Amino acid sequence: KQEVTQIPAALSVPEGENLVLNCSFTDSAIYNLQWFRQDPGKGLTSLLLIQSSQREQTSGRLNASLDKSSGRSTLYIAASQPGDSATYLCAVNAGKSTFGDGTTLTVKP
Amino acid sequence: DAGVTQSPTHLIKTRGQQVTLRCSPKSGHDTVSWYQQALGQGPQFIFQYYEEEERQRGNFPDRFSGHQFPNYSSELNVNALLLGDSALYLCASSSRRNEQFFGPGTRLTVL
Repeated sequence: KQEVTQIPAALSVPEGENLVLNCSFTDSAIYNLQWFRQDPGKGLTSLLLIQSSQREQTSGRLNASLDKSSGRSTLYIAASQPGDSATYLCAVNAGKSTFGDGTTLTVKP
Repeated sequence: DAGVTQSPTHLIKTRGQQVTLRCSPKSGHDTVSWYQQALGQGPQFIFQYYEEEERQRGNFPDRFSGHQFPNYSSELNVNALLLGDSALYLCASSSRRNEQFFGPGTRLTVL
């Protein structure tokens, strides 16, 4: 059974700081891994999708990496802004998707 | 493109009742997945529909059932509601193993 863990559960940083969010999974037989952000009470917004054959993906200030052999992915956020405050979720897709419980990020002005 | 839409936005039911939630996928997508999200937790996979058939199912009882129509829209039905069914229900659409896009969700409250 696939298990996905996200550490830390919560993170508070001052504006402008670079930060890394972690996602680990137990079964490396995956199709892809996707990072999302979720604002309180809202749906999920897709940030980045990494296919199993890829090592990283970049979009603006975001960079996600994937190491299937070690069962790890990281989401790097550069020059954080207050608008980045949200919960960040990773999902591992192997037919059915398994989510972690997320990291709640607060960026202080 | 309207993206993924879900209805209704909010719903209040009492224990033992039945509920139907609806989802319209993003244009060009043929696969719909449903998730249940409890407060403070990540979404839990309920099931996935493709070509009008249930292709994958998570660890949910048979009280949870679904349907996909020829236009790829989908319904989630929950029978004999329990207090523990109160959650945010999310629908996601994709094109097979590609990127999933989520709707805004339906907030179900069971009293």
